[in-house]
Amino acid sequence: DGGITQSPKYLFRKEGQNVTLSCEQNLNHDAMYWYRQDPGQGLRLIYYSQIVNDFQKGDIAEGYSVSREKKESFPLTVTSAQKNPTAFYLCASSIGGLTGVNTGELFFGEGSRLTVL
Amino acid sequence: QKEVEQNSGPLSVPEGAIASLNCTYSDRGSQSFFWYRQYSGKSPELIMFIYSNGDKEDGRFTAQLNKASQYVSLLIRDSQPSDSATYLCAVPWAGGYNKLIFGAGTRLAVHP
Repeated sequence: DGGITQSPKYLFRKEGQNVTLSCEQNLNHDAMYWYRQDPGQGLRLIYYSQIVNDFQKGDIAEGYSVSREKKESFPLTVTSAQKNPTAFYLCASSIGGLTGVNTGELFFGEGSRLTVL
Repeated sequence: QKEVEQNSGPLSVPEGAIASLNCTYSDRGSQSFFWYRQYSGKSPELIMFIYSNGDKEDGRFTAQLNKASQYVSLLIRDSQPSDSATYLCAVPWAGGYNKLIFGAGTRLAVHP
């Protein structure tokens, strides 16, 4: 079945460690996104990518890094520079990229919950 | 002013009633609007989108858009306990459709 797979589902990190969250999609979507969600808050955009080898900072990119070497994959690294990384991280994809064909629908993975110990 | 604003709730309605969820947005140029539903601990899923002023109905859901007032709402008729979730309003970023700006969401609780 087509979809978006995020791993791990739960992750614990010690302060000062970098961690990488995996996101893989087999929907053949051009655009991919990382959102962060904190309790009682909406989704905030960390990074997005509309095409392979290109990505843009979102609203809260500080302390995070991404890569887009393959269309199917968009991993997110939470670095030690991120001061408050405990959150629910959501990866998403959409059909449209630079072609501009997009209904605005995002397809989400099941999320990764990161806790800093 | 936040780009997309919603009342956080919780909005509590009895089973069978109409639930009314509201969202205001700041960008007058916004052309399309999306409602996502998110169950606790799960990821959001798209339930409605609307482009034109007026109403759009899909089953028990009706989206209402008033661009002059920069206001979009979601009505859920015959509310069921399974509708209990957080409803997120989303508006494309002015720079393009591929980036959605989400509101904080309204938590809906439907009690039997």
